[in-house]
Amino acid sequence: EAGVVQSPRYKIIEKKQPVAFWCNPISGHNTLYWYLQNLGQGPELLIRYENEEAVDDSQLPKDRFSAERLKGVDSTLKIQPAELGDSAVYLCASSLDFTNTGELFFGEGSRLTVL
Amino acid sequence: QKEVEQNSGPLSVPEGAIASLNCTYSDRGSQSFFWYRQYSGKSPELIMFIYSNGDKEDGRFTAQLNKASQYVSLLIRDSQPSDSATYLCAVNREYGNKLVFGAGTILRVKS
Repeated sequence: EAGVVQSPRYKIIEKKQPVAFWCNPISGHNTLYWYLQNLGQGPELLIRYENEEAVDDSQLPKDRFSAERLKGVDSTLKIQPAELGDSAVYLCASSLDFTNTGELFFGEGSRLTVL
Repeated sequence: QKEVEQNSGPLSVPEGAIASLNCTYSDRGSQSFFWYRQYSGKSPELIMFIYSNGDKEDGRFTAQLNKASQYVSLLIRDSQPSDSATYLCAVNREYGNKLVFGAGTILRVKS
């Protein structure tokens, strides 16, 4: 069974440029998460989807970050414009459903460097 | 005060020894607790979860939970160099049903 797939794995951009990350969760997993992980820190939740509904986006900086999960499968996270402080690893994770909130399966992550 | 606190380490143990990793949390209503392992440059992977007070064993790993003390630990018996990684404690916070991660403890097992 394929795991969570993310792309791109690495992205280097200039500040103020836009960037987008894509995630395909494990087949049949209804819950999808985007986390941000800075070096030496644990993952921090940006947004959680239940099917196509964003049920927790309280930590998403909505002035520059946006996300969507059309048709309740794939998801895209966008940053526009990017700032130097956005350099981090963006992790996508999925779980079977809402009741398995802690049993997450993570993708390999997208490492963003903003110059 | 952080919601989930871990000693950042590194914790160094010799091969074959027991490694003890600790975690405290602030939300007294938390009900479920998780340990993730993260190798350098890789993504976290779930290795243990525990919901009830006491011990839970899985192979060389034992998770311990004390809700009264708001304390979770992970013991790794017969530590191997392949266990060298960062271990993340995660707590499912009651309010908002949200998983919160600690910053992780770096474990180094020396052969």
